[in-house]
Amino acid sequence: GAGVSQSPRYKVAKRGQDVALRCDPISGHVSLFWYQQALGQGPEFLTYFQNEAQLDKSGLPSDRFFAERPEGSVSTLKIQRTQQEDSAVYLCASSYGTGLSNTIYFGEGSWLTVV
Amino acid sequence: EDQVTQSPEALRLQEGESSSLNCSYTVSGLRGLFWYRQDPGKGPEFLFTLYSAGEEKEKERLKATLTKKESFLHITAPKPEDSATYLCAVQGYSGNTGKLIFGQGTTLQVKP
Repeated sequence: GAGVSQSPRYKVAKRGQDVALRCDPISGHVSLFWYQQALGQGPEFLTYFQNEAQLDKSGLPSDRFFAERPEGSVSTLKIQRTQQEDSAVYLCASSYGTGLSNTIYFGEGSWLTVV
Repeated sequence: EDQVTQSPEALRLQEGESSSLNCSYTVSGLRGLFWYRQDPGKGPEFLFTLYSAGEEKEKERLKATLTKKESFLHITAPKPEDSATYLCAVQGYSGNTGKLIFGQGTTLQVKP
């Protein structure tokens, strides 16, 4: 595709509900990142995939957060038992190479509001 | 720990009034410093990558420079369409995963 595609763009979840956010990276991109951006702040790293391998999940805030990329293309970020502090924009990004010194392209984000 | 601080947090300029945004960083070996533009409700849009001190890159009214401790984004004769949040991020050698560490951003408003 032309760019990184994310869905849904907007999601309102009731506290305690599970949510799944999808990311379609740019075709052929090896690296895929998830970031979380709170209102008025810069994005914060959550996790990184190289193809289907999750090489870094050091930024995931709790064990309620889970990400997968089973076939090395589309990725899903799942949040279980959502809480109000999970309200944020979740950004997906991809890069052609390993991500080291390569341009990293971002999607438009999925806006999650937990009520 | 890798860290990025941007200043000022907000900047208001008149159209045509040139200025600079600052990005100070500490990183355990700089692999690259990235500048992004973010419009409200949108994802970050890539502007520049700088790799070594002394490097400069330009795009239209924007020019990015890099030293060993900071980067500047110079905006020459800005227009209202330059209004956005500008994000700076560093990529270091630790972890070897290419993750970016972002600053909190500078929100620029250019008035006609």
